[in-house]
Amino acid sequence: KAGVTQTPRYLIKTRGQQVTLSCSPISGHRSVSWYQQTPGQGLQFLFEYFSETQRNKGNFPGRFSGRQFSNSRSEMNVSTLELGDSALYLCASSLISTNTEAFFGQGTRLTVV
Amino acid sequence: DQQVKQNSPSLSVQEGRISILNCDYTNSMFDYFLWYKKYPAEGPTFLISISSIKDKNEDGRFTVFLNKSAKHLSLHIVPSQPGDSAVYFCAAPLRSYGGATNKLIFGTGTLLAVQP
Repeated sequence: KAGVTQTPRYLIKTRGQQVTLSCSPISGHRSVSWYQQTPGQGLQFLFEYFSETQRNKGNFPGRFSGRQFSNSRSEMNVSTLELGDSALYLCASSLISTNTEAFFGQGTRLTVV
Repeated sequence: DQQVKQNSPSLSVQEGRISILNCDYTNSMFDYFLWYKKYPAEGPTFLISISSIKDKNEDGRFTVFLNKSAKHLSLHIVPSQPGDSAVYFCAAPLRSYGGATNKLIFGTGTLLAVQP
């Protein structure tokens, strides 16, 4: 069974640009969550999608958005990139929203210069 | 407000000895706790969990202890192996919307180094 797949693995963007990251959850999993990992803040919850609906949102500005498709694949978008957005972005999938155990992808390392 | 805290950023242990990683929490509504292991450039991997109705859960070399009155949990690894060297995160799900969804609240992690 394939795990959680995130693409791309690495990205370098310039301040002011926008970026789209992709996540394919484990087959059959309908819940996808996104987390940001930075050295200073650790792992911070961004948002969760279930059946194409955003079910939960963390404390991030509106520049961070996401969506989920009917096949459960998810994308997150960051607009007007800032230097502080440089981080490892992790996607996690669960069978359903209430599952406590989440399976993580390898992450996308975003560097904003 | 850090609801899950790991106060030791790093820990060094000799191979074969016990590793004890600690985690404290402040939110008494947490009813489940998880430990994740993370290697550099990889996503966290689920290791072991414990429900708040238990005080101990064991899985092979890994045991998690929960002390609800102290709002403290610990992960014991016995015996420690060099391959255990990684960052360990403690996490708890924060329930929302009557439990219909939850998000994981993570500690800041402890870097474990197991010396051969």
